[in-house]
Amino acid sequence: GAVVSQHPSWVICKSGTSVKIECRSLDFQATTMFWYRQFPKQSLMLMATSNEGSKATYEQGVEKDKFLINHASLTLSTLTVTSAHPEDSSFYICSARDQGGPSSYNEQFFGPGTRLTVL
Amino acid sequence: AQSVTQLGSHVSVSEGALVLLRCNYSSSVPPYLFWYVQYPNQGLQLLLKYTSAATLVKGINGFEAEFKKSETSFHLTKPSAHMSDAAEYFCAVSAYFGNEKLTFGTGTRLTIIP
Repeated sequence: GAVVSQHPSWVICKSGTSVKIECRSLDFQATTMFWYRQFPKQSLMLMATSNEGSKATYEQGVEKDKFLINHASLTLSTLTVTSAHPEDSSFYICSARDQGGPSSYNEQFFGPGTRLTVL
Repeated sequence: AQSVTQLGSHVSVSEGALVLLRCNYSSSVPPYLFWYVQYPNQGLQLLLKYTSAATLVKGINGFEAEFKKSETSFHLTKPSAHMSDAAEYFCAVSAYFGNEKLTFGTGTRLTIIP
């Protein structure tokens, strides 16, 4: 089956530093990947849609200068949290669309998530 | 615009009992509906999906859901709960075939009582 990985699985950083999170589709190509944020015991909120070779599309209220997204290849998207602060602490989850899959619907496959703690 | 409402943030059932997790949707166009399961500190796993084919959808781990347009519902059921079913369950909707965006409900935490 389609597998999506994220690295790191957890990260602790000091306030003011930047953190990069990688999302990889391991056995399929994904021109579109998505980044979600999940607060404790809450639902997933879509932050942005990442398109290979073009700029990401951010959801309303998401600071594009703070959450930098790069989708440089068909299997890798990165989310960089710049100048992180404690309020950025959260669980970040990516997903990728398998556009070559056998299903008529381009299903999203989710990564295992990255827990970010900013001290 | 699409939205989903999950009734009951916490549901507890005894092992072997019926599991029923409720989801109602709102969509201005024919919806595509999904149920995902999330175990602690993990990502989401697709349980099942409705994409305008059969209204009764069977998924993994013995779960199924029925799309009822008249009730705008897509409730998740399992005849007999197992301890391993304890997790967080999310209902999600997207607008149409190939639409990228998933809108998630607030989730239901399922607890299984031994």
